[in-house]
Amino acid sequence: GESVGLHLPTLSVQEGDNSIINCAYSNSASDYFIWYKQESGKGPQFIIDIRSNMDKRQGQRVTVLLNKTVKHLSLQIAATQPGDSAVYFCAENGSAGTYKYIFGTGTRLKVLA
Amino acid sequence: DTGVSQNPRHKITKRGQNVTFRCDPISEHNRLYWYRQTLGQGPEFLTYFQNEAQLEKSRLLSDRFSAERPKGSFSTLEIQRTEQGDSAMYLCASIKGSDQQAFFGQGTRLTVV
Repeated sequence: GESVGLHLPTLSVQEGDNSIINCAYSNSASDYFIWYKQESGKGPQFIIDIRSNMDKRQGQRVTVLLNKTVKHLSLQIAATQPGDSAVYFCAENGSAGTYKYIFGTGTRLKVLA
Repeated sequence: DTGVSQNPRHKITKRGQNVTFRCDPISEHNRLYWYRQTLGQGPEFLTYFQNEAQLEKSRLLSDRFSAERPKGSFSTLEIQRTEQGDSAMYLCASIKGSDQQAFFGQGTRLTVV
Protein backbone atom coordinates (compact mmCIF):
# COMPACT_ATOMS: atom_id res chain seq x y z
CA GLY A 1 0.00 0.00 0.00
CA GLU A 2 0.93 3.62 -0.34
CA SER A 3 2.96 5.02 2.52
CA VAL A 4 1.99 7.97 4.65
CA GLY A 5 4.77 10.44 5.18
CA LEU A 6 7.49 9.36 2.79
CA HIS A 7 9.83 12.20 3.80
CA LEU A 8 8.92 12.67 7.42
CA PRO A 9 11.37 12.84 10.32
CA THR A 10 11.99 9.32 11.56
CA LEU A 11 12.55 8.02 15.05
CA SER A 12 13.99 4.52 15.33
CA VAL A 13 13.79 2.75 18.67
CA GLN A 14 14.52 -0.74 19.91
CA GLU A 15 11.56 -2.86 20.88
CA GLY A 16 10.97 -2.47 24.60
CA ASP A 17 12.57 0.96 24.85
CA ASN A 18 10.63 4.15 25.52
CA SER A 19 9.86 6.53 22.65
CA ILE A 20 9.50 10.29 22.82
CA ILE A 21 7.95 12.14 19.92
CA ASN A 22 7.98 15.92 19.95
CA CYS A 23 5.76 18.52 18.36
CA ALA A 24 5.73 22.30 18.21
CA TYR A 25 2.34 23.93 17.86
CA SER A 26 1.57 27.30 16.40
CA ASN A 27 -1.28 29.03 18.20
CA SER A 28 -0.81 30.16 21.77
CA ALA A 29 -4.60 30.42 22.08
CA SER A 30 -5.18 26.73 21.32
CA ASP A 31 -6.92 25.07 24.25
CA TYR A 32 -6.98 21.44 23.18
CA PHE A 33 -4.36 19.11 21.75
CA ILE A 34 -4.52 15.59 20.46
CA TRP A 35 -2.14 12.89 19.24
CA TYR A 36 -3.03 10.58 16.39
CA LYS A 37 -1.36 7.45 15.05
CA GLN A 38 -1.64 6.78 11.33
CA GLU A 39 -0.72 3.54 9.66
CA SER A 40 -0.13 3.27 5.95
CA GLY A 41 -3.33 3.59 3.94
CA LYS A 42 -5.49 4.22 7.01
CA GLY A 43 -7.08 7.18 8.71
CA PRO A 44 -5.70 8.79 11.87
CA GLN A 45 -6.40 6.84 15.05
CA PHE A 46 -6.82 8.62 18.40
CA ILE A 47 -4.12 8.02 20.99
CA ILE A 48 -4.49 10.62 23.72
CA ASP A 49 -5.62 14.21 24.21
CA ILE A 50 -4.96 17.02 26.66
CA ARG A 51 -6.58 20.34 27.48
CA SER A 52 -4.56 23.49 27.98
CA ASN A 53 -5.34 23.63 31.69
CA MET A 54 -3.22 20.52 32.18
CA ASP A 55 0.48 19.89 31.63
CA LYS A 56 0.48 16.10 31.74
CA ARG A 57 -1.93 13.32 31.02
CA GLN A 58 -1.38 9.58 31.10
CA GLY A 59 -3.05 6.77 29.25
CA GLN A 60 -2.24 3.14 28.77
CA ARG A 61 1.50 3.09 27.91
CA VAL A 62 1.29 6.68 26.65
CA THR A 63 1.85 10.05 28.29
CA VAL A 64 1.37 13.48 26.77
CA LEU A 65 3.23 16.49 28.12
CA LEU A 66 2.24 20.06 27.32
CA ASN A 67 4.54 23.05 27.75
CA LYS A 68 2.55 26.15 26.92
CA THR A 69 5.46 28.47 27.60
CA VAL A 70 7.35 27.21 24.58
CA LYS A 71 4.32 25.82 22.70
CA HIS A 72 5.63 22.29 22.82
CA LEU A 73 3.89 18.96 23.03
CA SER A 74 5.42 15.54 23.47
CA LEU A 75 4.17 11.98 23.33
CA GLN A 76 5.92 9.33 25.36
CA ILE A 77 5.32 5.68 24.56
CA ALA A 78 6.50 3.20 27.17
CA ALA A 79 7.89 -0.22 26.25
CA THR A 80 7.54 0.40 22.52
CA GLN A 81 6.17 -2.54 20.56
CA PRO A 82 6.35 -3.43 16.85
CA GLY A 83 2.67 -2.54 16.52
CA ASP A 84 3.55 1.03 17.49
CA SER A 85 5.33 1.52 14.15
CA ALA A 86 3.39 4.24 12.33
CA VAL A 87 3.36 7.96 11.64
CA TYR A 88 2.38 10.10 14.62
CA PHE A 89 0.73 13.51 14.29
CA CYS A 90 -0.05 16.10 16.90
CA ALA A 91 -2.95 18.45 16.30
CA GLU A 92 -4.24 21.58 17.99
CA ASN A 93 -7.72 23.01 18.10
CA GLY A 94 -7.16 25.80 15.63
CA SER A 95 -10.32 27.71 16.34
CA ALA A 96 -12.40 27.74 19.48
CA GLY A 97 -15.91 26.62 18.78
CA THR A 98 -15.29 25.01 15.40
CA TYR A 99 -12.93 22.30 16.68
CA LYS A 100 -11.13 22.15 13.37
CA TYR A 101 -7.64 20.81 13.84
CA ILE A 102 -4.30 22.13 12.71
CA PHE A 103 -1.97 19.19 12.29
CA GLY A 104 1.76 19.31 12.89
CA THR A 105 4.44 17.68 10.81
CA GLY A 106 4.28 13.99 11.50
CA THR A 107 7.01 11.75 12.83
CA ARG A 108 7.56 8.23 11.59
CA LEU A 109 8.25 5.78 14.41
CA LYS A 110 10.16 2.63 13.47
CA VAL A 111 10.43 -0.08 16.06
CA LEU A 112 13.46 -2.30 15.64
CA ALA A 113 13.19 -5.91 16.73
CA ASP B 1 -12.81 0.80 13.28
CA THR B 2 -13.83 4.23 14.59
CA GLY B 3 -17.39 4.02 13.33
CA VAL B 4 -16.86 6.66 10.63
CA SER B 5 -17.32 5.07 7.22
CA GLN B 6 -16.01 6.44 3.93
CA ASN B 7 -16.70 5.21 0.42
CA PRO B 8 -15.09 4.44 -1.87
CA ARG B 9 -11.73 3.61 -0.27
CA HIS B 10 -9.92 4.16 -3.54
CA LYS B 11 -10.85 6.07 -6.68
CA ILE B 12 -8.86 6.42 -9.87
CA THR B 13 -10.22 8.93 -12.34
CA LYS B 14 -9.14 10.67 -15.50
CA ARG B 15 -8.36 14.35 -15.41
CA GLY B 16 -11.46 16.41 -16.09
CA GLN B 17 -13.92 13.90 -14.68
CA ASN B 18 -16.15 14.54 -11.70
CA VAL B 19 -15.93 12.40 -8.56
CA THR B 20 -18.06 12.13 -5.45
CA PHE B 21 -17.11 10.70 -2.08
CA ARG B 22 -19.39 9.76 0.77
CA CYS B 23 -18.90 9.89 4.53
CA ASP B 24 -21.17 8.31 7.12
CA PRO B 25 -20.27 9.70 10.55
CA ILE B 26 -21.00 8.11 13.91
CA SER B 27 -24.75 8.42 14.20
CA GLU B 28 -25.03 10.74 17.20
CA HIS B 29 -22.24 13.05 16.05
CA ASN B 30 -23.57 16.38 14.85
CA ARG B 31 -20.27 17.83 13.64
CA LEU B 32 -18.68 16.52 10.44
CA TYR B 33 -15.34 17.55 8.95
CA TRP B 34 -13.53 17.01 5.67
CA TYR B 35 -9.74 17.06 5.50
CA ARG B 36 -7.28 16.48 2.69
CA GLN B 37 -3.94 14.78 3.16
CA THR B 38 -1.12 14.66 0.63
CA LEU B 39 1.94 12.45 0.90
CA GLY B 40 4.31 13.52 3.62
CA GLN B 41 1.90 15.99 5.16
CA GLY B 42 -0.58 16.09 7.96
CA PRO B 43 -4.28 16.42 7.17
CA GLU B 44 -5.46 19.91 6.18
CA PHE B 45 -8.92 21.21 7.04
CA LEU B 46 -11.31 21.70 4.12
CA THR B 47 -14.78 22.28 5.54
CA TYR B 48 -17.12 21.43 8.36
CA PHE B 49 -20.81 20.97 9.08
CA GLN B 50 -22.83 21.29 12.21
CA ASN B 51 -25.89 19.21 11.51
CA GLU B 52 -26.87 20.15 7.94
CA ALA B 53 -25.31 23.62 7.99
CA GLN B 54 -21.93 24.13 6.36
CA LEU B 55 -20.31 26.59 8.75
CA GLU B 56 -16.81 27.04 7.43
CA LYS B 57 -14.84 26.44 4.26
CA SER B 58 -11.08 26.61 3.87
CA ARG B 59 -9.40 28.59 1.13
CA LEU B 60 -8.17 25.18 -0.03
CA LEU B 61 -11.71 24.44 -1.14
CA SER B 62 -11.79 25.85 -4.65
CA ASP B 63 -15.03 26.41 -6.55
CA ARG B 64 -14.60 22.97 -8.12
CA PHE B 65 -15.25 21.43 -4.70
CA SER B 66 -18.65 21.20 -3.10
CA ALA B 67 -19.74 19.45 0.05
CA GLU B 68 -23.23 18.70 1.30
CA ARG B 69 -24.86 17.18 4.33
CA PRO B 70 -28.52 17.38 3.35
CA LYS B 71 -30.14 15.66 6.31
CA GLY B 72 -27.49 16.22 8.90
CA SER B 73 -26.34 12.63 8.68
CA PHE B 74 -24.09 11.48 5.83
CA SER B 75 -22.06 13.94 3.77
CA THR B 76 -20.79 14.00 0.21
CA LEU B 77 -17.76 15.76 -1.22
CA GLU B 78 -17.80 16.35 -4.96
CA ILE B 79 -14.86 17.46 -7.05
CA GLN B 80 -15.68 18.69 -10.53
CA ARG B 81 -13.23 18.73 -13.44
CA THR B 82 -10.56 16.92 -11.45
CA GLU B 83 -6.95 17.95 -11.81
CA GLN B 84 -3.80 15.97 -11.04
CA GLY B 85 -3.20 18.23 -8.06
CA ASP B 86 -6.40 16.90 -6.52
CA SER B 87 -4.73 13.54 -5.97
CA ALA B 88 -4.74 13.02 -2.22
CA MET B 89 -6.36 11.17 0.64
CA TYR B 90 -9.69 12.73 1.58
CA LEU B 91 -10.53 12.16 5.23
CA CYS B 92 -13.80 12.59 7.03
CA ALA B 93 -14.08 13.06 10.78
CA SER B 94 -16.97 13.51 13.19
CA ILE B 95 -17.35 14.98 16.65
CA LYS B 96 -20.19 14.58 19.14
CA GLY B 97 -21.78 17.71 20.53
CA SER B 98 -19.36 19.85 22.48
CA ASP B 99 -16.73 17.14 22.72
CA GLN B 100 -13.43 17.92 21.05
CA GLN B 101 -12.18 14.48 20.06
CA ALA B 102 -12.56 13.83 16.37
CA PHE B 103 -13.03 10.32 15.05
CA PHE B 104 -11.61 9.81 11.57
CA GLY B 105 -12.66 7.47 8.83
CA GLN B 106 -10.24 5.41 6.78
CA GLY B 107 -10.26 7.95 4.00
CA THR B 108 -10.78 7.89 0.25
CA ARG B 109 -7.57 7.78 -1.77
CA LEU B 110 -8.07 9.73 -5.00
CA THR B 111 -5.67 9.34 -7.91
CA VAL B 112 -6.17 11.59 -10.92
CA VAL B 113 -4.41 10.33 -14.04
